[in-house]
Amino acid sequence: GQNIDQPTEMTATEGAIVQINCTYQTSGFNGLFWYQQHAGEAPTFLSYNVLDGLEEKGRFSSFLSRSKGYSYLLLKELQMKDSASYLCAVRDPGDSNYQLIWGAGTKLIIKP
Amino acid sequence: GAGVSQSPSNKVTEKGKDVELRCDPISGHTALYWYRQSLGQGLEFLIYFQGNSAPDKSGLPSDRFSAERTGGSVSTLTIQRTQQEDSAVYLCASSLTGLTDTQYFGPGTRLTVL
Repeated sequence: GQNIDQPTEMTATEGAIVQINCTYQTSGFNGLFWYQQHAGEAPTFLSYNVLDGLEEKGRFSSFLSRSKGYSYLLLKELQMKDSASYLCAVRDPGDSNYQLIWGAGTKLIIKP
Repeated sequence: GAGVSQSPSNKVTEKGKDVELRCDPISGHTALYWYRQSLGQGLEFLIYFQGNSAPDKSGLPSDRFSAERTGGSVSTLTIQRTQQEDSAVYLCASSLTGLTDTQYFGPGTRLTVL
């Protein structure tokens, strides 16, 4: 079946580094997305990986290993505004190339 | 427009009433998606529109749910005879095409069924 697993909640300290893991089991794979969602707001796009390796974008980096069905989002130099939920989603072609399978999200709490 | 807009932002209704939720996608985006997000849960796909093609309604949870997209732009999600389990945030997203493009989300409509 289709399954996306993420930790429910993580806590980190301002200025530190945190890694949020995502493992997936889907019938097909055509890319993995990370979105950030602040409480009461819409998800906003962070990153997209379709090939193995690390994609770096400022303080945020995303890694993908297709053979392991594994991704992580790395946040450096944490700021209080990074407190949010982080959603992992996998694109599964299925019958058409649009289906996104979503994880339940990881709530990240940043402490001073 | 600058982004995806949705209205109303909040809707409180009584069990058994019908509700209509509106989504205005980013201008020029041909693909439009409706999702539902219950508290602490991931996004649940509801329906997808791509251009003039027939919509994919495979995610609609029951026949009380329907959606239409007029003129390839604005979309309306209708829930008939609302039930308490319909309470959730309903999110709309659009993308330039329906293939590999990033989805951009609206702020959502929080629906509460009493």
